[in-house]
Amino acid sequence: AAGVIQSPRHLIKEKRETATLKCYPIPRHDTVYWYQQGPGQDPQFLISFYEKMQSDKGSIPDRFSAQQFSDYHSELNMSSLELGDSALYFCASSQRTGGGFAEAFFGQGTRLTVV
Amino acid sequence: AQSVTQLGSHVSVSEGALVLLRCNYSSSVPPYLFWYVQYPNQGLQLLLKYTSAATLVKGINGFEAEFKKSETSFHLTKPSAHMSDAAEYFCAVSSTSYGKLTFGQGTILTVHP
Repeated sequence: AAGVIQSPRHLIKEKRETATLKCYPIPRHDTVYWYQQGPGQDPQFLISFYEKMQSDKGSIPDRFSAQQFSDYHSELNMSSLELGDSALYFCASSQRTGGGFAEAFFGQGTRLTVV
Repeated sequence: AQSVTQLGSHVSVSEGALVLLRCNYSSSVPPYLFWYVQYPNQGLQLLLKYTSAATLVKGINGFEAEFKKSETSFHLTKPSAHMSDAAEYFCAVSSTSYGKLTFGQGTILTVHP
């Protein structure tokens, strides 16, 4: 079965650089979530999109932005990178339309290292 | 607002022993509750979920959890631990069936031969 695809899997950037993380949801899923998991930490919700519109916002820094495109893939753009941005970034997708429980399926994550 | 507290950041058991991972939640609305497992450098895999149906929920790999409203708990159990169960386990809560998840701090399960 198709899963959530995240690219790249690993990314190394220098301080003050910009990074773009991509997420390709499971086909027919209309909702995308982004989470950040720092070393030894629990995943923290950043932002979510439903039908290409932002649906909820968590602890996402102003230096970060995200969007969901017409094909439902999503990108997380991170600017002016700081050492503290080093983390595992997860994308999850679900199918909200149609009602019922919308289970979130997680991708493998992108490990961002800022040096 | 919701929150989750997992009691014990590390739990160690012998192979074949009972696994008990504790989770307490706080929620102003009836919660949706989840247990996820994470293997090193892997994504999060859903073990089981509580969605206001049966209070005893069975999941994959022999795990189950019981929702106890009076105790605001959702503890994860498995009768007999296997070496392959060694991983980090996260309890999570959501206020809707489609909303963001709030995770607990995680519990690292170690299984000894």
